[in-house]
Amino acid sequence: GQNIDQPTEMTATEGAIVQINCTYQTSGFNGLFWYQQHAGEAPTFLSYNVLDGLEEKGRFSSFLSRSKGYSYLLLKELQMKDSASYLCAVTDSNYQLIWGAGTKLIIKP
Amino acid sequence: SQTIHQWPATLVQPVGSPLSLECTVEGTSNPNLYWYRQAAGRGLQLLFYSVGIGQISSEVPQNLSASRPQDRQFILSSKKLLLSDSGFYLCAWSGLAETDTQYFGPGTRLTVL
Repeated sequence: GQNIDQPTEMTATEGAIVQINCTYQTSGFNGLFWYQQHAGEAPTFLSYNVLDGLEEKGRFSSFLSRSKGYSYLLLKELQMKDSASYLCAVTDSNYQLIWGAGTKLIIKP
Repeated sequence: SQTIHQWPATLVQPVGSPLSLECTVEGTSNPNLYWYRQAAGRGLQLLFYSVGIGQISSEVPQNLSASRPQDRQFILSSKKLLLSDSGFYLCAWSGLAETDTQYFGPGTRLTVL
């Protein structure tokens, strides 16, 4: 079957750095997405990786290793507004988007 | 720029009542459209997707149905709601390329009592 694993919950301190991991087992691979979802709101797009390596967007970076079936989202200089769930999703060989359950990130002052 | 609307924002319905949720997209043509449901504390479950007017693919068997009467309008319906239909319903759109990013509407929180 197809599976995406993320930690259920993480806690970090304001101003620090946190890395949220995502591992996947899917039938093929055509890209990996990260979304941010604040409580009670819709997911918003953060990043897309299709090739190995690091993509940087301001305080957020996303890394992909296709050979390891692994990605991470790195958040730097954490702010209280970064408290949210972070969803990892993979496009498989049939171009279906497979979603992880999300990681709830709690930021403490 | 593209905008996606959903309504209503919240809805409380009794078991056995009908449902109609509407989603419209502005600023793009021929989008792919999607309906998802998210149960509390859970991931996104794809319910339906559409690549064009009148073209609907269902991902899971259920008592829900979807229709796309116009290019940028997507409707989710039910004739008789079940308690298990409660959840957060999200509409999304993407471009035509199969790896295009999906962008979500604000969602409808449905409670079935």
